[in-house]
Amino acid sequence: AQTVTQSQPEMSVQEAETVTLSCTYDTSENNYYLFWYKQPPSRQMILVIRQEAYKQQNATENRFSVNFQKAAKSFSLKISDSQLGDTAMYFCAFMKLRFKTIFGAGTRLFVKA
Amino acid sequence: SQTIHQWPATLVQPVGSPLSLECTVEGTSNPNLYWYRQAAGRGLQLLFYSVGIGQISSEVPQNLSASRPQDRQFILSSKKLLLSDSGFYLCAWSVEGQYNEQFFGPGTRLTVL
Repeated sequence: AQTVTQSQPEMSVQEAETVTLSCTYDTSENNYYLFWYKQPPSRQMILVIRQEAYKQQNATENRFSVNFQKAAKSFSLKISDSQLGDTAMYFCAFMKLRFKTIFGAGTRLFVKA
Repeated sequence: SQTIHQWPATLVQPVGSPLSLECTVEGTSNPNLYWYRQAAGRGLQLLFYSVGIGQISSEVPQNLSASRPQDRQFILSSKKLLLSDSGFYLCAWSVEGQYNEQFFGPGTRLTVL
């Protein structure tokens, strides 16, 4: 069974600095999708970034980028130039089987002014 | 553009009472629909998903049920609530037939006393 592990329950970063959130997953599959979702205090969950496992190039979305290490089954999220609005819970998620997305327990990120 | 609505936003119910949470999606047709539960400090647990009207798949055994009476309407119900049903319930939708991101509703916070 697939599992997703986020080993950092909480993290903090100073505004304008860079922070990396860790995620590892366990699967025997070769083709799958990985996601980072953000859940701010308003609780509205939104997608931050996605990565297809068959693509070697790491996905990038503005200040957000991932370090996808397929062999190591690692999918970390890097937030550059952190902003106060980045304060949120971040969930790593894995999708292989259609309709079934496995979420990690989340990392709570605090951006300090 | 597509939007997803959930109501109520918050709900406090006594143990043993019934439950009905509603989710509707606008701006898309034949979406895949999902119900998740998020316990405090934990990730999302998939409860139900639906690929079409009247088609419901359950992921975990529980005293909850789901129904999809219309294409863009998804309802989560219970005949008798338990204390353990307390949590944050999220409805989500995704594009039919694609491995893709899920779009989440604003959620319902349920407290069972």
